[in-house]
Amino acid sequence: SAVISQKPSRDICQRGTSLTIQCQVDSQVTMMFWYRQQPGQSLTLIATANQGSEATYESGFVIDKFPISRPNLTFSTLTVSNMSPEDSSIYLCSVGLAGLSRETQYFGPGTRLLVL
Amino acid sequence: DAKTTQPTSMDCAEGRAANLPCNHSTISGNEYVYWYRQIHSQGPQYIIHGLKNNETNEMASLIITEDRKSSTLILPHATLRDTAVYYCIVRVNYQLIWGAGTKLIIKP
Repeated sequence: SAVISQKPSRDICQRGTSLTIQCQVDSQVTMMFWYRQQPGQSLTLIATANQGSEATYESGFVIDKFPISRPNLTFSTLTVSNMSPEDSSIYLCSVGLAGLSRETQYFGPGTRLLVL
Repeated sequence: DAKTTQPTSMDCAEGRAANLPCNHSTISGNEYVYWYRQIHSQGPQYIIHGLKNNETNEMASLIITEDRKSSTLILPHATLRDTAVYYCIVRVNYQLIWGAGTKLIIKP
């Protein structure tokens, strides 16, 4: 497996501001993923971030709202831009580790965001 | 959309085996079944995965039917710390498509 950390662990933000969430892994990984989990809901994939290429966004998520950086094989950031109360969620990063049966994803602890 | 259906909630007595069912009738031949759990809004924790053979690790066993249309996750000796939401997921290419999961409550 991998040890994954996220910063901040939680934050309370004002609407209209932006927050950048960091994800750090203790080993080099090719694939990193960003998810959103709205209150009481399951996980929804925001985007896939591979080093050396632009992030690939899922339907309903756009780069202007959720810009992602992936400067190296151990680090990624997700920015939640121009926040509104609807952005209040847990944001999770995960990494894909290759194995005999292809990639298994391991998750960070999450960033709990409350937008007022 | 999720390719799996699970009971919304289940109870299990502490020390007993917890058997969590999952239906994935539209699964394709090369798609894996993954199980994760999420304890009290922590990050999801990987449990086990399989393709067609039964699998066992230190956490659980995964029993997949011969037609691959359903599976069961078995926690052999449930403890109070196993109370969590358990997600059965069919991985499509590299993506995990999450359903609503089963809330498992272990009772003393």
